[in-house]
Amino acid sequence: AQSVAQPEDQVNVAEGNPLTVKCTYSVSGNPYLFWYVQYPNRGLQFLLKYITGDNLVKGSYGFEAEFNKSQTSFHLKKPSALVSDSALYFCAVRDGFNAGNNRKLIWGLGTSLAVNP
Amino acid sequence: DTEVTQTPKHLVMGMTNKKSLKCEQHMGHRAMYWYKQKAKKPPELMFVYSYEKLSINESVPSRFSPECPNSSLLNLHLHALQPEDSALYLCASSQEIQLGDSPLHFGNGTRLTVT
Repeated sequence: AQSVAQPEDQVNVAEGNPLTVKCTYSVSGNPYLFWYVQYPNRGLQFLLKYITGDNLVKGSYGFEAEFNKSQTSFHLKKPSALVSDSALYFCAVRDGFNAGNNRKLIWGLGTSLAVNP
Repeated sequence: DTEVTQTPKHLVMGMTNKKSLKCEQHMGHRAMYWYKQKAKKPPELMFVYSYEKLSINESVPSRFSPECPNSSLLNLHLHALQPEDSALYLCASSQEIQLGDSPLHFGNGTRLTVT
């Protein structure tokens, strides 16, 4: 079965420290991988994507993610966390097997990031 | 600021009411979406429009009725809703018409409460 896992419901990090939000996936074919962030009372905002090419992807607000095919992971990282990074983060993957209207975008359950001052 | 605009921001309606949610995008995107999101959960796909035609209906109850008047506008008509339909309703758009081929651009949503 195709799936996305975000193994941590909550991540706490001190401001200025590096942060990592984990995502692993299980899909057929070549995955398209996305990270979205949701601030309180807002919609989701696209952060970055991996489709092909360099395994290290840079995105908005200083975030980056590393695609690791052997570990089927796409962890989100930032070298120095800000209090304003506190939000809900979702990993999503497009399955690489189905096409047309059968194609699915599979979402992780989300990770709540709290950056403490 | 989001490039997808949703109105109203908040809506309270009774179970016998009829109301509509509206969404507008001016990015020239060819696909538009309705998602439902419960608190702290991932969004759940409801409908997809590609080139103004309904392409995906994720078995949504008929009390939700989507409409796409033109390439920039998307409506969701609500009738005889249930309290469990209370949620954040998100509109999104994308450049590519196949789900997941390009990033989704979300509006800030309509917070719906059914009493």
